[in-house]
Amino acid sequence: AQSVTQLGSHVSVSEGALVLLRCNYSSSVPPYLFWYVQYPNQGLQLLLKYTSAATLVKGINGFEAEFKKSETSFHLTKPSAHMSDAAEYFCAVMLFSGGYNKLIFGAGTRLAVHP
Amino acid sequence: KAGVTQTPRYLIKTRGQQVTLSCSPISGHRSVSWYQQTPGQGLQFLFEYFSETQRNKGNFPGRFSGRQFSNSRSEMNVSTLELGDSALYLCASSLGQGDTQYFGPGTRLTVL
Repeated sequence: AQSVTQLGSHVSVSEGALVLLRCNYSSSVPPYLFWYVQYPNQGLQLLLKYTSAATLVKGINGFEAEFKKSETSFHLTKPSAHMSDAAEYFCAVMLFSGGYNKLIFGAGTRLAVHP
Repeated sequence: KAGVTQTPRYLIKTRGQQVTLSCSPISGHRSVSWYQQTPGQGLQFLFEYFSETQRNKGNFPGRFSGRQFSNSRSEMNVSTLELGDSALYLCASSLGQGDTQYFGPGTRLTVL
């Protein structure tokens, strides 16, 4: 069965510092993986996705993630945090076999950026 | 291209009432999925519709139902509301199975 674990429910970084949000997945088939961001009182915005092409995926707002099959990980990084990056981030795996078409989400990581 | 829209954005209901939420997908998208987001349970899949047919459903009681119209717009209905139904309800649309899901802004339901 597919599942997603996000390590760290809260991460705090200084403005300009590296952002690293961790995501590990469990999947019996090659996964499709996604990162979404949610700002207060808003829906989910797609940051980036992995669908079995290049293992290093670049997304919007300077974010990128690397798919590592051996580590079953899909960590999200950004070299330099900006105040506007403060939000909640969700990693998700897509289940689309057997007639399904749904996202299974991790619990989320709230990112705080301080001056 | 316009994004996914959801109406209303906010709702306040009392226990025992019923509620209907609406979702208009991105033009050309035929799949609409619904998710419930709560602080305790996180984001959970409710159901998915494709071409007016419910293809699969999450682990929710029968009080939660939905439908999809021929123009791909979707509604979800919750009957006999309970306090625990207070949540952000998110709708997502996609071209079909395995395609990226794009989310609307959500409907915040508060049950008193």
